[in-house]
Amino acid sequence: DGGITQSPKYLFRKEGQNVTLSCEQNLNHDAMYWYRQDPGQGLRLIYYSQIVNDFQKGDIAEGYSVSREKKESFPLTVTSAQKNPTAFYLCASDSNHQPQHFGDGTRLSIL
Amino acid sequence: GQQLNQSPQSMFIQEGEDVSMNCTSSSIFNTWLWYKQDPGEGPVLLIALYKAGELTSNGRLTAQFGITRKDSFLNISASIPSDVGIYFCAGRSSGGSNYKLTFGKGTLLTVNP
Repeated sequence: DGGITQSPKYLFRKEGQNVTLSCEQNLNHDAMYWYRQDPGQGLRLIYYSQIVNDFQKGDIAEGYSVSREKKESFPLTVTSAQKNPTAFYLCASDSNHQPQHFGDGTRLSIL
Repeated sequence: GQQLNQSPQSMFIQEGEDVSMNCTSSSIFNTWLWYKQDPGEGPVLLIALYKAGELTSNGRLTAQFGITRKDSFLNISASIPSDVGIYFCAGRSSGGSNYKLTFGKGTLLTVNP
């Protein structure tokens, strides 16, 4: 089936540690996105990429980094500089004139 | 970043009742999308609207793209317990190379059986 796969489902981070969240899509979509979701705050855009080897900061990029080496993959690294990383992270993808579809999310917590 | 105004924030209804929620924006959108999110899961696309005035149904769900292109509503008829969840609207302001969506903050729907 075509879709977006996020892994892991749950992730724990120790203080000072970088962690990487995986996102893979087989929908042949050009654009991919990372959102952060906190209770009562809706979805906030972290980074997005419209083409391979190119990406742009969203509204809350500080403390995060991404790469887009392949069309299918858009991993997100939560760095130690992100002081409040506990949240639900959602990856999405779409193409021009196509609606955006989401993965099932990764819940990140602090140990 | 820009936010859509989505209302109501939450709704408590009895099973069988109809539900209506809406989103408004100060900007014009070319696309309106409605999603439902269950706890611990990603949002699932319910309805996509691409044309001002468009009225689209998906089972018991009906959504409309406002004529002014600054608003949209979603109606759910004859609600059932599995309709419980958070409903989000999202708008896209242009096509071409700009794919970014603007999201509402969501409407939390609770259905009492």
